[in-house]
Amino acid sequence: EVQMLESGGGLVQPGGSLRLSCAASGFTFNSYAMSWVRQAPGKGLEWVSRISDSGSGAFYADSVKGRFTISRDNSKNTLFLQMNSLRAEDTAVYYCTRHNAYFAFNFWGQETLVTVSS
Amino acid sequence: QTVVTQEPSFSVSPGGTVTLTCGLNSGSVSTSYYPSWYQQTPGQAPRTLIYNTNTRSSGVPDRFSGSILGNKAALTITGAQADDESDYYCLLYMGSGIWVFGGGTKVTVL
Repeated sequence: EVQMLESGGGLVQPGGSLRLSCAASGFTFNSYAMSWVRQAPGKGLEWVSRISDSGSGAFYADSVKGRFTISRDNSKNTLFLQMNSLRAEDTAVYYCTRHNAYFAFNFWGQETLVTVSS
Repeated sequence: QTVVTQEPSFSVSPGGTVTLTCGLNSGSVSTSYYPSWYQQTPGQAPRTLIYNTNTRSSGVPDRFSGSILGNKAALTITGAQADDESDYYCLLYMGSGIWVFGGGTKVTVL
Protein backbone atom coordinates (compact mmCIF):
# COMPACT_ATOMS: atom_id res chain seq x y z
CA GLU A 1 0.00 0.00 0.00
CA VAL A 2 1.33 3.42 -0.99
CA GLN A 3 1.81 5.68 2.00
CA MET A 4 3.30 9.14 2.32
CA LEU A 5 3.61 10.74 5.73
CA GLU A 6 4.47 14.41 6.00
CA SER A 7 6.07 16.01 9.03
CA GLY A 8 7.92 19.16 10.04
CA GLY A 9 5.10 21.67 9.98
CA GLY A 10 4.51 24.16 12.77
CA LEU A 11 4.38 27.79 13.78
CA VAL A 12 7.20 30.02 12.57
CA GLN A 13 7.74 33.78 12.55
CA PRO A 14 7.88 35.76 9.31
CA GLY A 15 11.34 35.54 7.83
CA GLY A 16 11.98 32.21 9.52
CA SER A 17 12.72 28.78 8.11
CA LEU A 18 11.16 25.34 8.24
CA ARG A 19 11.97 21.97 6.69
CA LEU A 20 9.20 19.63 5.70
CA SER A 21 9.72 15.90 5.24
CA CYS A 22 7.65 13.26 3.49
CA ALA A 23 8.43 9.64 4.30
CA ALA A 24 7.26 7.32 1.53
CA SER A 25 6.60 3.60 1.55
CA GLY A 26 4.83 0.93 -0.46
CA PHE A 27 6.42 1.80 -3.80
CA THR A 28 9.82 2.14 -5.47
CA PHE A 29 10.50 5.70 -4.38
CA ASN A 30 13.41 6.36 -6.73
CA SER A 31 11.24 5.57 -9.77
CA TYR A 32 8.86 8.48 -9.33
CA ALA A 33 8.97 12.25 -9.60
CA MET A 34 7.43 13.96 -6.57
CA SER A 35 5.82 17.33 -5.92
CA TRP A 36 4.69 19.50 -3.05
CA VAL A 37 1.23 21.06 -3.24
CA ARG A 38 -0.20 23.50 -0.70
CA GLN A 39 -3.58 24.87 0.27
CA ALA A 40 -4.02 28.11 2.20
CA PRO A 41 -6.91 28.20 4.68
CA GLY A 42 -10.20 28.34 2.78
CA LYS A 43 -8.42 28.55 -0.58
CA GLY A 44 -7.69 26.28 -3.50
CA LEU A 45 -4.78 24.01 -4.31
CA GLU A 46 -1.45 25.46 -5.43
CA TRP A 47 1.40 23.48 -6.97
CA VAL A 48 4.65 24.47 -5.23
CA SER A 49 7.57 22.41 -6.51
CA ARG A 50 8.52 19.24 -8.35
CA ILE A 51 11.65 17.07 -8.31
CA SER A 52 12.65 14.35 -10.75
CA ASP A 53 12.98 10.71 -9.73
CA SER A 54 16.77 10.97 -9.46
CA GLY A 55 16.73 14.37 -7.80
CA SER A 56 18.67 15.95 -10.63
CA GLY A 57 15.94 18.33 -11.79
CA ALA A 58 13.69 20.67 -9.79
CA PHE A 59 11.06 23.23 -10.68
CA TYR A 60 9.27 25.85 -8.62
CA ALA A 61 6.19 28.04 -8.71
CA ASP A 62 7.04 31.72 -9.07
CA SER A 63 5.57 32.36 -5.62
CA VAL A 64 8.31 30.33 -3.90
CA LYS A 65 11.23 30.51 -6.34
CA GLY A 66 14.43 31.55 -4.62
CA ARG A 67 13.03 30.86 -1.15
CA PHE A 68 12.10 27.16 -1.20
CA THR A 69 14.31 24.20 -2.12
CA ILE A 70 13.01 20.72 -2.89
CA SER A 71 15.26 17.70 -2.42
CA ARG A 72 15.07 13.97 -1.84
CA ASP A 73 17.06 11.18 -0.25
CA ASN A 74 16.34 8.05 -2.26
CA SER A 75 18.29 5.90 0.18
CA LYS A 76 15.79 6.86 2.88
CA ASN A 77 12.68 7.14 0.69
CA THR A 78 12.18 10.69 1.87
CA LEU A 79 11.20 13.94 0.16
CA PHE A 80 12.05 17.34 1.64
CA LEU A 81 11.02 20.95 1.27
CA GLN A 82 13.35 23.55 2.78
CA MET A 83 11.40 26.77 3.23
CA ASN A 84 13.31 29.99 3.95
CA SER A 85 12.27 33.64 4.22
CA LEU A 86 8.76 32.54 5.12
CA ARG A 87 5.87 34.95 4.68
CA ALA A 88 2.35 35.07 6.06
CA GLU A 89 1.06 34.01 2.65
CA ASP A 90 2.98 30.73 2.93
CA THR A 91 0.57 29.68 5.67
CA ALA A 92 -1.08 26.53 4.36
CA VAL A 93 -1.37 22.80 4.66
CA TYR A 94 1.32 21.17 2.57
CA TYR A 95 0.86 17.84 0.77
CA CYS A 96 3.50 15.68 -0.81
CA THR A 97 2.32 13.98 -3.97
CA ARG A 98 3.58 11.26 -6.28
CA HIS A 99 3.54 11.81 -10.03
CA ASN A 100 2.40 9.31 -12.58
CA ALA A 101 3.62 9.02 -16.17
CA TYR A 102 1.00 11.48 -17.43
CA PHE A 103 1.97 14.67 -15.62
CA ALA A 104 -0.63 14.11 -12.90
CA PHE A 105 -0.48 13.41 -9.19
CA ASN A 106 -1.86 9.97 -8.41
CA PHE A 107 -1.13 9.66 -4.69
CA TRP A 108 -1.35 12.24 -1.94
CA GLY A 109 0.03 12.37 1.58
CA GLN A 110 -2.11 13.45 4.49
CA GLU A 111 -0.76 16.99 5.04
CA THR A 112 1.31 19.03 7.40
CA LEU A 113 0.29 22.51 8.54
CA VAL A 114 2.63 25.48 8.28
CA THR A 115 1.62 28.69 10.05
CA VAL A 116 3.67 31.84 9.53
CA SER A 117 2.78 34.42 12.14
CA SER A 118 4.36 36.68 14.71
CA GLN B 1 0.34 35.23 -16.07
CA THR B 2 -1.41 31.95 -16.74
CA VAL B 3 -4.78 31.58 -15.06
CA VAL B 4 -6.73 28.33 -15.14
CA THR B 5 -10.44 29.04 -14.92
CA GLN B 6 -13.20 26.96 -13.34
CA GLU B 7 -16.79 27.72 -12.44
CA PRO B 8 -16.95 28.71 -8.75
CA SER B 9 -19.96 26.55 -8.02
CA PHE B 10 -22.53 24.19 -9.48
CA SER B 11 -25.67 22.60 -8.14
CA VAL B 12 -26.99 19.26 -9.37
CA SER B 13 -29.97 17.11 -8.41
CA PRO B 14 -29.42 13.56 -7.21
CA GLY B 15 -29.26 11.36 -10.30
CA GLY B 16 -28.59 14.35 -12.50
CA THR B 17 -25.67 15.21 -14.74
CA VAL B 18 -23.25 18.08 -14.35
CA THR B 19 -20.28 19.12 -16.47
CA LEU B 20 -17.48 21.16 -14.95
CA THR B 21 -15.02 22.94 -17.22
CA CYS B 22 -11.38 23.98 -17.05
CA GLY B 23 -10.15 26.75 -19.31
CA LEU B 24 -7.29 29.18 -19.80
CA ASN B 25 -7.41 32.96 -19.59
CA SER B 26 -5.60 33.00 -22.89
CA GLY B 27 -5.69 30.12 -25.31
CA SER B 28 -7.36 26.74 -25.49
CA VAL B 29 -6.93 23.65 -23.37
CA SER B 30 -5.93 20.59 -25.37
CA THR B 31 -4.73 17.13 -24.54
CA SER B 32 -1.19 18.53 -24.67
CA TYR B 33 -1.85 20.06 -21.25
CA TYR B 34 -2.52 16.58 -19.82
CA PRO B 35 -5.55 17.80 -17.85
CA SER B 36 -6.30 15.98 -14.62
CA TRP B 37 -9.10 16.30 -12.06
CA TYR B 38 -9.14 16.00 -8.28
CA GLN B 39 -11.94 15.71 -5.75
CA GLN B 40 -11.62 17.11 -2.24
CA THR B 41 -14.01 16.98 0.67
CA PRO B 42 -13.49 19.29 3.67
CA GLY B 43 -10.63 18.25 5.92
CA GLN B 44 -9.43 15.54 3.55
CA ALA B 45 -6.54 15.22 1.15
CA PRO B 46 -7.46 15.46 -2.53
CA ARG B 47 -8.33 12.31 -4.43
CA THR B 48 -7.27 11.80 -8.03
CA LEU B 49 -10.23 11.20 -10.33
CA ILE B 50 -9.06 11.65 -13.93
CA TYR B 51 -5.66 12.02 -15.58
CA ASN B 52 -4.42 12.39 -19.14
CA THR B 53 -7.72 14.07 -20.10
CA ASN B 54 -9.98 11.02 -19.80
CA THR B 55 -8.33 8.15 -17.90
CA ARG B 56 -10.05 7.26 -14.64
CA SER B 57 -7.79 6.66 -11.68
CA SER B 58 -7.98 3.28 -9.98
CA GLY B 59 -11.23 2.76 -8.08
CA VAL B 60 -13.01 5.81 -9.51
CA PRO B 61 -16.62 5.05 -10.49
CA ASP B 62 -17.47 5.27 -14.17
CA ARG B 63 -20.00 8.01 -13.51
CA PHE B 64 -16.97 10.32 -13.62
CA SER B 65 -15.62 11.01 -17.10
CA GLY B 66 -13.17 13.47 -18.61
CA SER B 67 -13.02 15.03 -22.04
CA ILE B 68 -12.15 18.09 -24.10
CA LEU B 69 -15.23 20.19 -24.90
CA GLY B 70 -14.52 22.97 -27.32
CA ASN B 71 -11.53 24.86 -25.95
CA LYS B 72 -11.75 23.52 -22.40
CA ALA B 73 -11.17 20.34 -20.45
CA ALA B 74 -14.32 18.95 -18.87
CA LEU B 75 -15.31 16.66 -16.03
CA THR B 76 -18.79 15.15 -16.26
CA ILE B 77 -20.59 13.50 -13.38
CA THR B 78 -23.44 11.34 -14.68
CA GLY B 79 -25.99 10.16 -12.12
CA ALA B 80 -24.75 12.37 -9.28
CA GLN B 81 -24.85 10.95 -5.78
CA ALA B 82 -24.93 12.68 -2.42
CA ASP B 83 -21.31 11.80 -1.68
CA ASP B 84 -20.21 13.56 -4.89
CA GLU B 85 -20.75 16.82 -3.02
CA SER B 86 -17.16 18.12 -2.94
CA ASP B 87 -14.73 20.63 -4.35
CA TYR B 88 -13.28 19.70 -7.73
CA TYR B 89 -9.97 20.98 -9.06
CA CYS B 90 -8.46 20.71 -12.49
CA LEU B 91 -4.72 20.71 -13.06
CA LEU B 92 -2.88 21.56 -16.26
CA TYR B 93 0.72 20.85 -17.15
CA MET B 94 2.02 24.04 -18.74
CA GLY B 95 5.31 22.54 -19.91
CA SER B 96 8.82 23.40 -18.72
CA GLY B 97 8.15 21.69 -15.40
CA ILE B 98 5.29 23.95 -14.36
CA TRP B 99 1.80 22.89 -13.20
CA VAL B 100 -1.18 25.17 -12.51
CA PHE B 101 -4.38 24.35 -10.66
CA GLY B 102 -7.71 25.92 -11.40
CA GLY B 103 -9.50 27.76 -8.62
CA GLY B 104 -11.85 24.87 -7.96
CA THR B 105 -15.58 24.25 -8.35
CA LYS B 106 -17.81 23.57 -5.38
CA VAL B 107 -20.47 21.04 -6.34
CA THR B 108 -23.64 20.81 -4.28
CA VAL B 109 -26.00 17.85 -4.67
CA LEU B 110 -29.56 18.76 -3.72
